[in-house]
Amino acid sequence: SQTIHQWPATLVQPVGSPLSLECTVEGTSNPNLYWYRQAAGRGLQLLFYSVGIGQISSEVPQNLSASRPQDRQFILSSKKLLLSDSGFYLCAWMSESYEQYFGPGTRLTVT
Amino acid sequence: AQTVTQSQPEMSVQEAETVTLSCTYDTSENNYYLFWYKQPPSRQMILVIRQEAYKQQNATENRFSVNFQKAAKSFSLKISDSQLGDTAMYFCAFYSNYQLIWGAGTKLIIKP
Repeated sequence: SQTIHQWPATLVQPVGSPLSLECTVEGTSNPNLYWYRQAAGRGLQLLFYSVGIGQISSEVPQNLSASRPQDRQFILSSKKLLLSDSGFYLCAWMSESYEQYFGPGTRLTVT
Repeated sequence: AQTVTQSQPEMSVQEAETVTLSCTYDTSENNYYLFWYKQPPSRQMILVIRQEAYKQQNATENRFSVNFQKAAKSFSLKISDSQLGDTAMYFCAFYSNYQLIWGAGTKLIIKP
């Protein structure tokens, strides 16, 4: 069966510091992968998605970037965090029947 | 632009009651896929139910069922015999061009 991992679960970082969030999927090959951000009590904002290694589509121009160095690994990064980068970050993969399955999320607080 | 609208920001019902959450969408596609997701206080996103637009029969998963009206572009979720564990944010979404297009969500509170 497929499993999706995200880490860390919680992160507190100062303004101006770098960021690296990692997501890995097990049990499937060449999945479409997604990064979302969610403010408290709000909906999902798609940040990036990837349909293959090295292929990244950006949905929102901002302070963040994404990379997919391996088939089942998706990384969200920033060189210098802003206060507005605080939020709940979710990684997901899409099945062949177009369902998305989500990791447990990372709660990021920028101070 | 393709959009999903959930017109009920928040709802509350008594335990064991039936509740219906509304969702409308706008798309020019003829074949597509619709989903309802649940996000409890743990914030884990959980797939509740899936509907294929070319299927006329409404999808059902235990206490969860949908009322899919393709012509009206409506996709409501009915929860029967609601339980305290159903308290969550509920999101409606449809698949288009490698992505899921999401509604803003409905906060559902089940009262004991």
